[in-house]
Amino acid sequence: EDQVTQSPEALRLQEGESSSLNCSYTVSGLRGLFWYRQDPGKGPEFLFTLYSAGEEKEKERLKATLTKKESFLHITAPKPEDSATYLCAVQAGDSNSGYALNFGKGTSLLVTP
Amino acid sequence: NAGVTQTPKFQVLKTGQSMTLQCAQDMNHEYMSWYRQDPGMGLRLIHYSVGAGITDQGEVPNGYNVSRSTTEDFPLRLLSAAPSQTSVYFCASSYSKGAHSSTDTQYFGPGTRLTVL
Repeated sequence: EDQVTQSPEALRLQEGESSSLNCSYTVSGLRGLFWYRQDPGKGPEFLFTLYSAGEEKEKERLKATLTKKESFLHITAPKPEDSATYLCAVQAGDSNSGYALNFGKGTSLLVTP
Repeated sequence: NAGVTQTPKFQVLKTGQSMTLQCAQDMNHEYMSWYRQDPGMGLRLIHYSVGAGITDQGEVPNGYNVSRSTTEDFPLRLLSAAPSQTSVYFCASSYSKGAHSSTDTQYFGPGTRLTVL
């Protein structure tokens, strides 16, 4: 059974204090690993897709990396506006799954000034 | 483009009532899906569609029906609402269901917050 585990559940950082969020996964035939950001009362907002081990993607202060067992979302010098819940999801590579995204429970990030 | 839109934003129902949650997208996406999000749990797939006229069940389909008569619209029907269906519902769409590329990225709507009393 596909599983996605995110850690920590919650993280509090001071502005400028870099850190990493973890997403460990087990899936039969990874099609893609997705990172989303979700603000309170809003829908998930797409950040990155990673397809193969060793791949890295960057956007502003965020950098996502992928290995065969986990993905990291590195946040460099965060700002208060980076406060949100970050969701990780994996997509299995077979049509029987409906190409569904299997989500972790998320990491709630709070960045204080 | 408006992207993925959902109506209503909020809804309160009594047990046993029925209603339809609307979802529309203007990006000509083939794949559309419905998820529910509950506290302490990840988003879970309810139903999905790989194109007009084709739908299938996801992880938690009981108590919900869907249809896909057009590419743009994918309504979710609650047949007889129960308190266990209190949740936030998200609709998502992506261009391609099968290509190994950025076209299979799923984009989410703003959600409908449903309370069943």
